[in-house]
Amino acid sequence: NAGVMQNPRHLVRRRGQEARLRCSPMKGHSHVYWYRQLPEEGLKFMVYLQKENIIDESGMPKERFSAEFPKEGPSILRIQQVVRGDSAAYFCASSSGPGPPGAEQFFGPGTRLTVL
Amino acid sequence: GQQLNQSPQSMFIQEGEDVSMNCTSSSIFNTWLWYKQDPGEGPVLLIALYKAGELTSNGRLTAQFGITRKDSFLNISASIPSDVGIYFCAGQLGAGANSKLTFGKGITLSVRP
Repeated sequence: NAGVMQNPRHLVRRRGQEARLRCSPMKGHSHVYWYRQLPEEGLKFMVYLQKENIIDESGMPKERFSAEFPKEGPSILRIQQVVRGDSAAYFCASSSGPGPPGAEQFFGPGTRLTVL
Repeated sequence: GQQLNQSPQSMFIQEGEDVSMNCTSSSIFNTWLWYKQDPGEGPVLLIALYKAGELTSNGRLTAQFGITRKDSFLNISASIPSDVGIYFCAGQLGAGANSKLTFGKGITLSVRP
């Protein structure tokens, strides 16, 4: 069974450009979460999506950030007009259901975004 | 917002020793999870705890869900070099919109051979 897949693993953007991060959940999982990790920090929740629906976006900045999880294809986290403060590791997690028990979140390897 | 506290930031132990890590919260969580992260990788789930007072083992790892629902600990017995990494605790309130995880800042474990 393939785990959670994220691409690209590393992404370099200049200030003002757009960044698109992709996440393919584990097979059979229809719940996707995005987290951001700054150096020497824990992961911070950004957004929770189910197929075609945003369930909770309370951790996502209101401007420049958006997320989607279409019926077909991977979940996309999009950052427009990137700034240096957006440099971080972005992790996607998937689960088989909307919460415990038995619907633990499994993480992908992350995308490390560097903004020059 | 809710925060989970993990300290110290780093721990250094000798191979073969046991180590215990604590995680505390100012508010209640209904599920506690422990993850391990290696450099350049995503967190890997070690143990999930669903009931206050629950004690769960996974090989050399043992974790407990505190009865106040505001803390958890993780024990690693007979440490080996591959135990090196960052250990995160995470709390979860419930299902649906409450299923997001709140993480501690992590404890970096070093194991001397």
